[in-house]
Amino acid sequence: QKEVEQNSGPLSVPEGAIASLNCTYSDRGSQSFFWYRQYSGKSPELIMFIYSNGDKEDGRFTAQLNKASQYVSLLIRDSQPSDSATYLCAVNAGSARQLTFGSGTQLTVLP
Amino acid sequence: ETGVTQSPTHLIKTRGQQVTLRCSSQSGHNTVSWYQQALGQGPQFIFQYYREEENGRGNFPPRFSGLQFPNYSSELNVNALELDDSALYLCASHGGRSSPYEQYFGPGTRLTVT
Repeated sequence: QKEVEQNSGPLSVPEGAIASLNCTYSDRGSQSFFWYRQYSGKSPELIMFIYSNGDKEDGRFTAQLNKASQYVSLLIRDSQPSDSATYLCAVNAGSARQLTFGSGTQLTVLP
Repeated sequence: ETGVTQSPTHLIKTRGQQVTLRCSSQSGHNTVSWYQQALGQGPQFIFQYYREEENGRGNFPPRFSGLQFPNYSSELNVNALELDDSALYLCASHGGRSSPYEQYFGPGTRLTVT
């Protein structure tokens, strides 16, 4: 079983719609959860982080965490073509608090 | 911009050679983690350096080694390169006082082994 799993994608949504990206993790000791956006040929960019159960909103982005279900999600409201990218879910665990990543979900926002 | 820099941007090496990749951390950060990202995959943790000591290591062989310097910059060395070492190598800077757990990536070094 992979430690961090994401929707295999690709995911396509029309411009202006809500994109929903999901992630599950296996390590119950995980404390911190991150979403990175990666454009093709570029490095990952941190867009959201969440440490407590519930929702965290930042502009058009909302991260949701449910530790009991070992589930974290990212909602992108009013999706724009510039949101088209691969979204990586990462979980912070281990003695070095290293990040364990999912394999990413490719999102395409259609104009 | 994260303030994390890496060099070189691209590199082509032959199997069996050795390579050194460099990373300068963001101001105020004392920890550097290195990751390997193969095409179509998420980054995989190689190791982490904190205060010039290795502070954790992923499932990578000993031919992957590193250093951290007093200014918190870091190097990743790979000996006896193999074709499967072809990947994007990312360093992440973290350990800032206000946000110790958030990791910020540099632009990466694209390594091609032929």
